[in-house]
Amino acid sequence: QSVLTQPPSASGTPGQRVTISCSGRASNIGSNTVNWFRQFPGTAPKFLIDSNNRRPSGVPDRFSGSKSGTSASLAISGLQSEDEADYYCSSWDDSLNGPVFGGGTKLTVL
Amino acid sequence: QVQLQESGPGLVKPSETLSLTCTVSGGSISDYYWSWIRQPPGKGLEWIGYIYYSGSTNYNPSLEGRVAISVDTSKNQFSLNLRSVAAADTAVYYCARGHHGDYLDWGQGTLVTVSS
Repeated sequence: QSVLTQPPSASGTPGQRVTISCSGRASNIGSNTVNWFRQFPGTAPKFLIDSNNRRPSGVPDRFSGSKSGTSASLAISGLQSEDEADYYCSSWDDSLNGPVFGGGTKLTVL
Repeated sequence: QVQLQESGPGLVKPSETLSLTCTVSGGSISDYYWSWIRQPPGKGLEWIGYIYYSGSTNYNPSLEGRVAISVDTSKNQFSLNLRSVAAADTAVYYCARGHHGDYLDWGQGTLVTVSS
């Protein structure tokens, strides 16, 4: 069972805006930055964005990250078929003294 | 952007030691933290541990006692040893740059199966 809680699935139609949530505790999300990763089948995860909206070059601004209290969200606007993937959140946990992950959300583009 | 490549046996027998090496190219292993993360088939990500280039380490408490991570700066490599493996240790093992959950660079991953 993962420390951070994500919905197992999410879906949307092309052009739609979808959000994926990530819920935690004061010791992790409540105190630290939340990071988001995207993983296509059979490949390694890739850093997408964090809750301060820091993103690597090449990641479009259709992706945005936010945080409030002990929850965080990844928003994807203008949904495209190539956005279909698994999305994971992570954060540092002060109690564990290490990083923790969410269980992942499978995004389907209908 | 650095490149990372995992290497090591893809099959390990139960109770034996899993050993993997991550080779870093396109940059120096110095001045960064380096991590090992694993993903059981069809499941989510699990942090194993990390090492600083100086050699200081931090491990997931759930694996403490079985795991050791080391670094060889002369070869630009860092390594993972996981002792007394069982079927539950079967996973894709990734090496990555970073340690705070913000892993900017990842290896392609290597599947390690624990089976007799």
